[in-house]
Amino acid sequence: AQSVSQHNHHVILSEAASLELGCNYSYGGTVNLFWYVQYPGQHLQLLLKYFSGDPLVKGIKGFEAEFIKSKFSFNLRKPSVQWSDTAEYFCAAPREDTGRRALTFGSGTRLQVQP
Amino acid sequence: EAGVTQSPTHLIKTRGQQVTLRCSPISGHTSVYWYQQALGLGLQFLLWYDEGEERNRGNFPPRFSGRQFPNYSSELNVNALELEDSALYLCASRNPGILTGELFFGEGSRLTVL
Repeated sequence: AQSVSQHNHHVILSEAASLELGCNYSYGGTVNLFWYVQYPGQHLQLLLKYFSGDPLVKGIKGFEAEFIKSKFSFNLRKPSVQWSDTAEYFCAAPREDTGRRALTFGSGTRLQVQP
Repeated sequence: EAGVTQSPTHLIKTRGQQVTLRCSPISGHTSVYWYQQALGLGLQFLLWYDEGEERNRGNFPPRFSGRQFPNYSSELNVNALELEDSALYLCASRNPGILTGELFFGEGSRLTVL
């Protein structure tokens, strides 16, 4: 079954710093990957997703992620973070045992942006 | 268009009690998913319902159960509550016409077990 892992549990940055959050996936055939964000007190929402084609995926709010097959990685990036980016970020992939209809999530990375 | 709605938003129970959480999916979504978000553990897949049937469950004991109603809303029941059941319980729904499509989440029900 496909699984994802996030190694950065808590990241603290100053405003305008660049961001890169790591996500590694296990091999599971067709690769589909997602990044979700959970702002304080809000519901989880999709930032971006990779299904096929261009390995550089652009999402909402200036976020992007690059799928690197040789490294089994799908890292999330943003050139210049803002205080409003303070949130928890989750990488996700379809679960094979649900016919790829449910998602499995990484343990999350809590990002704190200091003004 | 209304999003996924969950109730109650917060509740406190004691060990051994039972709890029922409710979820209404986005209109037109027939699949409902339940996840447990415990502190530091990310989101753990609990249950998946589609067209009124339980399709799959995660690695949780049988005291976690649920059902889906004809209008596609869903309930999650947890019996014999334990302290470690304290968590945010998230419900999500999906457009059935899109395989491996995006899940849309509600804001969750925060359960505290004392």
